[in-house]
Amino acid sequence: GESVGLHLPTLSVQEGDNSIINCAYSNSASDYFIWYKQESGKGPQFIIDIRSNMDKRQGQRVTVLLNKTVKHLSLQIAATQPGDSAVYFCAEIANQAGTALIFGKGTTLSVSS
Amino acid sequence: DTGVSQDPRHKITKRGQNVTFRCDPISEHNRLYWYRQTLGQGPEFLTYFQNEAQLEKSRLLSDRFSAERPKGSFSTLEIQRTEQGDSAMYLCASSWTDRNYGYTFGSGTRLTVV
Repeated sequence: GESVGLHLPTLSVQEGDNSIINCAYSNSASDYFIWYKQESGKGPQFIIDIRSNMDKRQGQRVTVLLNKTVKHLSLQIAATQPGDSAVYFCAEIANQAGTALIFGKGTTLSVSS
Repeated sequence: DTGVSQDPRHKITKRGQNVTFRCDPISEHNRLYWYRQTLGQGPEFLTYFQNEAQLEKSRLLSDRFSAERPKGSFSTLEIQRTEQGDSAMYLCASSWTDRNYGYTFGSGTRLTVV
């Protein structure tokens, strides 16, 4: 998909800091979005999801923000921990375009103690 | 239920050989998906089933690839005459009929073609 220049392939933070990972999605018809965390050698692990009729959703230490105007999604992780180190992917589903998740470019988060 | 299971976890094969992978989805899920992931990239959709029916296939799925879900439960993905370019992580996921819920991935099968 197109990038609006907000995506960073890597992000390094200190333990305890808040992390913000950005994603630009490609299809204005997308109506469901998921953030996944993927550790080395493992499959993607569901973190949080959001539907297009919402602009914010909160979970435990994580918040997802959706800006449909600029087709931008962000994942905020509060009080980042070393165990949060992984690659993070956003994924979208377009209601009228089949059922496949379309993944964005991943961001590698490195948390140092 | 322990989630989506994939077998084997790792497979090394010689170029030209056939390989088959298995996926056991979450039991209540009627939709099953196959994805492929190469190093440094996000997963790419290959195909999906609703119950026994294979409803969608990506153009990434060449003629050497075939997937089945004979009883609407587990699925197999076979690659014939493997090539070095087939080396990747093959991921399986499953979800409810309402596809916008419970989209869960397995740990994948890492294929290395030598």
